[in-house]
Amino acid sequence: ETGVTQSPTHLIKTRGQQVTLRCSSQSGHNTVSWYQQALGQGPQFIFQYYREEENGRGNFPPRFSGLQFPNYSSELNVNALELDDSALYLCASSASQRNGELFFGEGSRLTVL
Amino acid sequence: AQSVAQPEDQVNVAEGNPLTVKCTYSVSGNPYLFWYVQYPNRGLQFLLKYITGDNLVKGSYGFEAEFNKSQTSFHLKKPSALVSDSALYFCAVRDIGRDDKIIFGKGTRLHILP
Repeated sequence: ETGVTQSPTHLIKTRGQQVTLRCSSQSGHNTVSWYQQALGQGPQFIFQYYREEENGRGNFPPRFSGLQFPNYSSELNVNALELDDSALYLCASSASQRNGELFFGEGSRLTVL
Repeated sequence: AQSVAQPEDQVNVAEGNPLTVKCTYSVSGNPYLFWYVQYPNRGLQFLLKYITGDNLVKGSYGFEAEFNKSQTSFHLKKPSALVSDSALYFCAVRDIGRDDKIIFGKGTRLHILP
């Protein structure tokens, strides 16, 4: 158990809809990163939040957005869903920006029909 | 930009034999390297990391990794494989810069044969 929890664990949406995924970080961790893992692929970095500010973003369009709250929990929002957005979305927390040791949640599996 | 490459999609090893999962890296400056493991339908778990110091790094579950600067490699090893080691293994590197994000390889599926 990493202490990182994600919800929901599974969800099904249709093209064009919007989705919000949630993550509670491990106690004491102030950095949250979000990754997209398509089937058979490695995790792709979406963005990272440090003390409620986005401080890094991967090659994802603006319809992928996020928030980090004062308790360091986080949300990932995806608008105008596309079929290719179907993937496992992983949240990871860490004790500092520079630590590098990430603690992952179990993921939210999104299916877009 | 920093990157890692895992040349093997799958590695098959008989139980009890030594195993090696390969990773090469491309970085500017000193590398910060990691190995993570993913079991079916689960998130990733940290195994070990190399920041500086000894080239042989020991981690969880009896795994170790050898950092080789001249070959730009960071191979994962274990002296005696267990069936329970069967999983997906990811090599990763810290992209040193403004955000210090962790970048993952595409993964290598390790299959331990009983």
